[in-house]
Parts: sequence; structure tokens; C-alpha cells
Amino acid sequence: DAGVIQSPRHEVTEMGQEVTLRCKPISGHDYLFWYRQTMMRGLELLIYFNNNVPIDDSGMPEDRFSAKMPNASFSTLKIQPSEPRDSAVYFCASSPGKGVDQPQHFGDGTRLSIL
Amino acid sequence: SQQGEEDPQALSIQEGENATMNCSYKTSINNLQWYRQNSGRGLVHLILIRSNEREKHSGRLRVTLDTSKKSSSLLITASRAADTASYFCATPLGFGNEKLTFGTGTRLTIIP
Repeated sequence: DAGVIQSPRHEVTEMGQEVTLRCKPISGHDYLFWYRQTMMRGLELLIYFNNNVPIDDSGMPEDRFSAKMPNASFSTLKIQPSEPRDSAVYFCASSPGKGVDQPQHFGDGTRLSIL
Repeated sequence: SQQGEEDPQALSIQEGENATMNCSYKTSINNLQWYRQNSGRGLVHLILIRSNEREKHSGRLRVTLDTSKKSSSLLITASRAADTASYFCATPLGFGNEKLTFGTGTRLTIIP
């Protein structure tokens, strides 16, 4: 079975550029989560969706960050404009039910470096 | 905000020995999960234990939960080199909350 697929795996770009991260969740999973992982702050939840609807975006650090889920098989996380402090590994995860009651399935992440 | 905190932060043991990691959390929960993360990869779910369970086994893994002490432990028996990874506990932000928070992790190194 295909797991959660994220692209790209690595992204290096210059400050000020727009960055778009992509995620394909596991088919049939109705919850989708975006996380950010850094050495300093650990794993942080940015936003999550239920049935394609954003439920809680309180973890999104600034208005420069936005996320969409136009259909059940695709989500994007966009940063515009990007800044060096956005450098981190960004993970997408999906679960078949509430993420607190069900295992979350993670992609292998996008390692983002903003120069 | 982080709810869980693992102890120790790092652990190195010889292959074949048992490894024990602990997790403490702050608020009442209805379940707790453990995840593993290999270097450069995403997190992999290991086990979920509910608040009415005291102990749960999965292969070489044994998880305990003590809700009175707000703590959990993960025991890996007969460790292998492939167990080298970071291990995280994850709990709901609060009872009934839909958001999962992850601890700071224990970095486990198995020495062949």
C-alpha cells in the first residue's frame, strides 16, 4: 500500500521566494495534518483538516503560511515570502479518524532550506 | 505547546540489551501513542495505549501507562542495530482535544 507521499523531498531556495510543499494522503483517510520539525522546537502541528476542511490553523506561525486541501487526495502548504527561519523539515500525516484516537501515518517530509 | 517529555534524551546500549524510555505528560488523557523516527525519515507509529490499559505488548515492544503518575514507559527487549532511532511519545493536548502533541524524543543508539 502506498503511504503518505510528499514532494519535493528537498527544497533549497532564496529568501523571498514562494515555496509550495505537496502532500498526497493515504486513500480513505479523512484527517490530514501538517507538522514542522526543528531541533529547537521539536515537532509542531501547523494545521489540520477533516474531510478537506481546515479545522485548526492556530499553529501556523504567520500569515506568510497558508494551506489548502482542494480534494481528498491532495494538500499544499505554501510559504510566501519565505524567510531563513522557515528552514525546517515539514511533514504531512494522515489518519483514518481523529488523530488522537488513531495512528497517524507520516510522509518522509520535505527538508526546506531558505538561504 | 508540548505535553510530553521523554527521559532520557539519549541512550546508548549494546545490541541484545533491553532499552527503556520514559514519558511524562501534564494533563489527563484518554490515550497515549509511541512513534519511532529513523534518521531522515518520517515518524512511524508503534503502539497506542488507552487510559484504561496498564500494559500493552507488540512484538519486542512493551508499553506501560500509569495515569496516576501521568507517565508511560516503552521497553524494547533484545535490541537490534535496526532499533537505532529517535522515539517519541504523543498525547492529546488535553482530554477531548483533537490535536496530538509530541514529546522531545529519546535518541536511542544500539551498538553492534
